[in-house]
Amino acid sequence: QLVLTQSPSASASLGASVKLTCTLSSGHSSYAIAWHQQQPEKGPRYLMKLNSDGSHIKGDGIPDRFSGSSSGAERYLTISSLQSEDEAHYYCQTWGTGTFVVFGGGTKLTVL
Amino acid sequence: QVQLQESGPGLVKPSETLSLTCTVSGGSISSSSYYWGWIRQPPGKGLEWIGRTYYSGSTYYNPSLKSRVTMSVDTSKNRFSLKLSSVTAADTAVYYCARHPSTEYYFDSWGQGTLVTVSS
Repeated sequence: QLVLTQSPSASASLGASVKLTCTLSSGHSSYAIAWHQQQPEKGPRYLMKLNSDGSHIKGDGIPDRFSGSSSGAERYLTISSLQSEDEAHYYCQTWGTGTFVVFGGGTKLTVL
Repeated sequence: QVQLQESGPGLVKPSETLSLTCTVSGGSISSSSYYWGWIRQPPGKGLEWIGRTYYSGSTYYNPSLKSRVTMSVDTSKNRFSLKLSSVTAADTAVYYCARHPSTEYYFDSWGQGTLVTVSS
């Protein structure tokens, strides 16, 4: 079964960097994912599509501070030079061979 | 740049049918390059995929909701719709429409969402 696992919460200081993790379930380590940001009281915003080789396609206007990388079944979102507006929920999302769509549970990022 | 906007009643009674429309601007819903989908988010919870539709009218639904969901496309008005029947309080959520490429199913554009409350 295709499942995405995310830590419920993360925190980092203003101006620092943070690396969020999304883990694909066993047998699905080659799958691409997408990262989405949801700021408080707003709809999700597409950040990037991230492939298993670490290559990624960013959405329009996404700052260079946002980057993605991959290792095995792990997909990472790194945010550098953290700003207050980066405080948000971050969701990973993928899709199965049956073409259904799966979301991770989301990580709430707090900027200290 | 494509924009999506949800519209529909904000309050639906239990056992009735929820109906929402997503109007697309800045792009054509008739493009073969994209599917058009619905996602929902109960208050304080995560995202749940509901299903998707294509300009041709083909659909694919989340198996957990399949028996109650109907999606359709109106190419003449550049919009697509969601109907969810026999609603209960558990269907209370913010409903989002979104777009994903036809070859890879990651959502690259989202609507702002609309809150639908199921209550008598």
